[in-house]
Order: sequence, then structure tokens, then C-alpha cells
Amino acid sequence: GAGVSQSPSNKVTEKGKDVELRCDPISGHTALYWYRQSLGQGLEFLIYFQGNSAPDKSGLPSDRFSAERTGGSVSTLTIQRTQQEDSAVYLCASSPLAGGEAGELFFGEGSRLTVL
Amino acid sequence: QKEVEQNSGPLSVPEGAIASLNCTYSDRGSQSFFWYRQYSGKSPELIMFIYSNGDKEDGRFTAQLNKASQYVSLLIRDSQPSDSATYLCAVNWGGGTSYGKLTFGQGTILTVHP
Repeated sequence: GAGVSQSPSNKVTEKGKDVELRCDPISGHTALYWYRQSLGQGLEFLIYFQGNSAPDKSGLPSDRFSAERTGGSVSTLTIQRTQQEDSAVYLCASSPLAGGEAGELFFGEGSRLTVL
Repeated sequence: QKEVEQNSGPLSVPEGAIASLNCTYSDRGSQSFFWYRQYSGKSPELIMFIYSNGDKEDGRFTAQLNKASQYVSLLIRDSQPSDSATYLCAVNWGGGTSYGKLTFGQGTILTVHP
């Protein structure tokens, strides 16, 4: 596809359930990022992948959050035992470069998570 | 804690005017600076990046960087109603395991009225 693809676009779940969010980056992009954005807030960094490894997981809010990336492509963000404060838009972004131009991120449309 | 600060606004300017958006950052070691635009309900899109002190122009947009003052700004000339959006400033601290990771400000809401 032409852009970063995320699914589902919308997810409503009950407190305590697990959810999986998927990101399919632009083909050939080696760097992949997960951010989340709460209503009216800026973007909060969660995790960064370079290839299949995650050199920076510092933004994951708790051990209920995990992410993996396989084949240097698709990534899954998993939230276990969801809480109401997890409600947000989860944005995935990819970048072709990890060098000097790092920061030129291409974002997907996001997965809106609502925890009831 | 590395921080990026923006005035949340809203900033309201008339059509045709210059809109000036400002951003400060806390870490002097910051290497690169980005402006993203986010329309309501949409994802952010990159509009400008700047690495060196001074001005960088791209069409109606000019990014200005002053590393000594830890300040980056975005000027939008001849503002149009279609420029109405939230503008996010982002900083790449660079280096080590954080390479490529951006820290975003809260964003400034810009409204251009006809």
C-alpha cells in the first residue's frame, strides 16, 4: 500500500479485556514507532523499532503494554487488562531512515481505543 | 526529562496575515526539529524540518531555529483558511537508543478566519 495502515480503526472494549492493535508500515521503512494521543493532548511516545528490535521501549506506560515487530515489517501493540485511562488514539508511524533525517515520520490514521 | 513547550492557543489570524507559531525545548543537545500539521480527526503530517541555525523557507512556510535560545518557530505567510489545524513541534534528541525518536509539544491550534 501507499501509506501506513493501521487496524482496527476503532475498537471499543470492556475494562479488563486484552486488545491488539496492528500496524503495517510503508514497504522498505526500517524504523517504526508507536505513539498515543489522548483527547486534546500531544503525542506521547511509546516504543521505537529499528528492524525487529526495539532499542527504546521507554515510553510504554506499564507492563500491561507490549509490542513486537516481525519480519522487519508488521508490528502489533498489545494492551492487556485494559483500563479506562488507556482510552486514546494509538498512532503508528514509519520512517525510511534512522540517520540524519530521522524524524521524518509517516503516520497511519490511528486506532481509536475506547475502554468502557 | 526532555521537554518541548508550545503555546496551546488558539491562535486566530485573518486570511492573508502571517501566522507565527513558537516552540521551546529543554535540551541543548537536540539535533533536529520538525513541524507537523494535524487536521482535526486526522493524523499528523510533516510540513517542515530544520537542523541548522537560521531560517529555512518552503513556499509559504518558514522555519526558524535558534539553538542558543533553544527556540524554533514556524511562520506561515498569506495564511489561508485551509491552514487551520493544530501545529505540532517535535524534537529529535538523537544519539544512543533514542535515535530517531521524537518528543512532541502539545500543539498550537491555529484558526485562519476569512
